[in-house]
Amino acid sequence: QQQVKQSPQSLIVQKGGISIINCAYENTAFDYFPWYQQFPGKGPALLIAIRPDVSEKKEGRFTISFNKSAKQFSLHIMDSQPGDSATYFCAAKTNSGYALNFGKGTSLLVTP
Amino acid sequence: DVKVTQSSRYLVKRTGEKVFLECVQDMDHENMFWYRQDPGLGLRLIYFSYDVKMKEKGDIPEGYSVSREKKERFSLILESASTNQTSMYLCASSLRGGISDTQYFGPGTRLTVL
Repeated sequence: QQQVKQSPQSLIVQKGGISIINCAYENTAFDYFPWYQQFPGKGPALLIAIRPDVSEKKEGRFTISFNKSAKQFSLHIMDSQPGDSATYFCAAKTNSGYALNFGKGTSLLVTP
Repeated sequence: DVKVTQSSRYLVKRTGEKVFLECVQDMDHENMFWYRQDPGLGLRLIYFSYDVKMKEKGDIPEGYSVSREKKERFSLILESASTNQTSMYLCASSLRGGISDTQYFGPGTRLTVL
């Protein structure tokens, strides 16, 4: 059973536009929410992460928005660039757990 | 920089063969993980280990086993490979088992079982 639901499965955005990927979860024990970025032929790498004590975290053009009451979080990529074309995974983890629960991934294509 | 290496980038095996996938990390991480990645299914955890000789089942352990004899090395074993085990296999490691520990991934092994 998928503990983290991610949408959309694929996304096409024009250069300069905003890319938005959404994730939802049910387990209220989750308290760490990272996003991973994966380029073709590479393993995923941590992009940005948030804890539920804040509603937003920004790193450069990448922002996580977190809505604890709705049990949803999203990744916003501002001024999207062709180099951002990759697969993005959201994930969630409990404080006591070892493993990350990943969403199914979103394939982002940024067109020139 | 943390480095996670996997023994092969591409591997082709026959149905029924015993297959070993090796993973080595060079940062003294306690935790190591094996995932498989399939289109539309994301990353699914097969097994993980939080210490030498310790192992825990993930979400899809059936048909797999693991071995961790040394801290830096974590092996995934397919006792009798089947065509439905054709997939991309990703190894990862992390420093601690608590909150906010980043998982570092290897480049993956694309296994084809014929």
